[in-house]
Amino acid sequence: EAGVTQFPSHSVIEKGQTVTLRCDPISGHDNLYWYRRVMGKEIKFLLHFVKESKQDESGMPNNRFLAERTGGTYSTLKVQPAELEDSGVYFCASSQAANTNSPLHFGNGTRLTVT
Amino acid sequence: GDSVTQMEGPVTLSEEAFLTINCTYTATGYPSLFWYVQYPGEGLQLLLKATKADDKGSNKGFEATYRKETTSFHLEKGSVQVSDSAVYFCALLIRGNTPLVFGKGTRLSVIA
Repeated sequence: EAGVTQFPSHSVIEKGQTVTLRCDPISGHDNLYWYRRVMGKEIKFLLHFVKESKQDESGMPNNRFLAERTGGTYSTLKVQPAELEDSGVYFCASSQAANTNSPLHFGNGTRLTVT
Repeated sequence: GDSVTQMEGPVTLSEEAFLTINCTYTATGYPSLFWYVQYPGEGLQLLLKATKADDKGSNKGFEATYRKETTSFHLEKGSVQVSDSAVYFCALLIRGNTPLVFGKGTRLSVIA
């Protein structure tokens, strides 16, 4: 089966610009998660979709971040306007069910650099 | 809040050396514990897990034992290979519908 795919793999933008990251989960996975790793720090949870609904968005840092999952398939994460501290690697993950017996499958991540 | 602390890297070892990467946790409940690995250019992969105290997770020669008394889940491997070079993340999950909590990651470099 195809894994979780993320696009783009790298993005370099200037402060104040907008960037949209995309995640295609494994087909049939209702649960989709976004995480972020800022250089040298922990991988931090951003939000969790179940199908098209936001189950938990407690990790979203501020209202410059907007995540969508229209139709319950792929998801986008938009940063507008981008700030320097938004630089990091953004990971997407998906799973069939939200329990410890349903493993999370991660994408390769999108490395975002804001200059 | 719930948190994971793992040893700072980078860790550099010679091939066939013994590996230990320490991981301790703080949690309000009884978490499941995980080790994830990120090889260069790839996403995170689940390496092993343990869901209750005294469980031992193992995979690809790596092992970790869930120690409730010391709140630890140290990763070990008896003989590392160059192909084990990667970043290793310890993580916990309190219950299924809460997000994984990760440590900062430990970069391992194995030299021939």
